Amino acid sequence: SYVLTQPPSVSAAPGQTAAITCGGSKIGTVAAHWYQQKSGQAPILVVYDDTKRPSGIPERFSASNSGNTATLIISRVEAGDEADYYCQVWDSNTDHVVFGGGTKLTVL
Amino acid sequence: QLQLRESGPGLVRPSETLTLTCSVSGVSVNTRTFYWGWIYQPPGKGLEWIGSVSSRGRTFYSSSPSLRGRVTISLDTSKSQSSLNLGSVTAADTAVYYCARHVRTGLMIQGDYFDSWGQGTLVTVSS
Repeated sequence: SYVLTQPPSVSAAPGQTAAITCGGSKIGTVAAHWYQQKSGQAPILVVYDDTKRPSGIPERFSASNSGNTATLIISRVEAGDEADYYCQVWDSNTDHVVFGGGTKLTVL
Repeated sequence: QLQLRESGPGLVRPSETLTLTCSVSGVSVNTRTFYWGWIYQPPGKGLEWIGSVSSRGRTFYSSSPSLRGRVTISLDTSKSQSSLNLGSVTAADTAVYYCARHVRTGLMIQGDYFDSWGQGTLVTVSS
């Protein structure tokens, strides 16, 4: 089965840039999506189809997807960005949704 | 505005069947582009997809060993409700269960993501 690998944790100071990676075999050939989940809340979609932002998501959230790594970039990190972030793809070989294990972003 | 709301028992006994309902409001569930999915999250752990159902009743299910063979998902378009049945539950099924709208295009380079989620419902399996 397809596996997505995320670092368990990432930290960044306010105003700095945080990068969260999502590794998977040839992930650059499929659409990658990203979710933010704050403590005690449901996840929300922050990036879809590799680089697109849903309405209401700040421009500070951007992403890329190439080769074996998809990356979520959060610019000018704010305290309110502290959350767990999950990447997700559709595995067309098995017709399954696959989530990464999640990365906890800590704002220092 | 799309809203999803999960409902069901907060406590289920081991070996019984868990049944949850997702009520959808604000949009029609009878749209080919959208499936209706279920995701669960055990305490302190990550998100795990359970399965998704289309307006025509087509289903995709996780083949995770922890779920295989125990899941049925359905959609009642007349009631705008999706239902999840999880049989033979154990303590390992204790989790927050979310329903979500699954945007599906069938294309590798776009689609198949969850653009709107319910608030989730905590289900505890215990005797």
